[in-house]
Amino acid sequence: KAGVTQTPRYLIKTRGQQVTLSCSPISGHRSVSWYQQTPGQGLQFLFEYFSETQRNKGNFPGRFSGRQFSNSRSEMNVSTLELGDSALYLCASSIDGTDTQYFGPGTRLTVL
Amino acid sequence: AQSVTQPDIHITVSEGASLELRCNYSYGATPYLFWYVQSPGQGLQLLLKYFSGDTLVQGIKGFEAEFKRSQSSFNLRKPSVHWSDAAEYFCAVGATIDMRFGAGTRLTVKP
Repeated sequence: KAGVTQTPRYLIKTRGQQVTLSCSPISGHRSVSWYQQTPGQGLQFLFEYFSETQRNKGNFPGRFSGRQFSNSRSEMNVSTLELGDSALYLCASSIDGTDTQYFGPGTRLTVL
Repeated sequence: AQSVTQPDIHITVSEGASLELRCNYSYGATPYLFWYVQSPGQGLQLLLKYFSGDTLVQGIKGFEAEFKRSQSSFNLRKPSVHWSDAAEYFCAVGATIDMRFGAGTRLTVKP
């Protein structure tokens, strides 16, 4: 089975722009979670989607949003980018959210 | 509230030496526990997990971990470290929709 894929792998944006990141889960997995990883804050949970519904959300501003499609693929969007949004964004999938998560390689976002 | 503490930010061991990475957790119920490894610039790879049953869990790459409820610990061990084990290791607790990660322990392996 193919693993979790994330596109693009690298992104450079400027402050004020918006960005969309994509995640394709493992086949058969219906739960997709997003995390932000930074040297200072570590791994922080952004949100989790299951069957196109957001079930849980971390403590991030409304500029961070996401969605999930009927094929379980997920996108996250960050609007009005700030320098502090520079991070590695990781996507993880699991069968139903109560079991093991498998992570993608991440998208490295740099905001200039 | 659930939380995970990895007391060691950075550990250096010699190749061939044994390794133990510490993890302590706080969780209201029987926890789901995980260890992940991350190489620079990469995603997280699952090493092993504990859901229930035998408290000594075997994982990939020769790693094992022991769940000790009385100590709220889930320490990761390897009897003989290889240079390729140099990476960052994360302990995590909880289910997907409520998972918390420790701050990570960076492992350096000396030749």
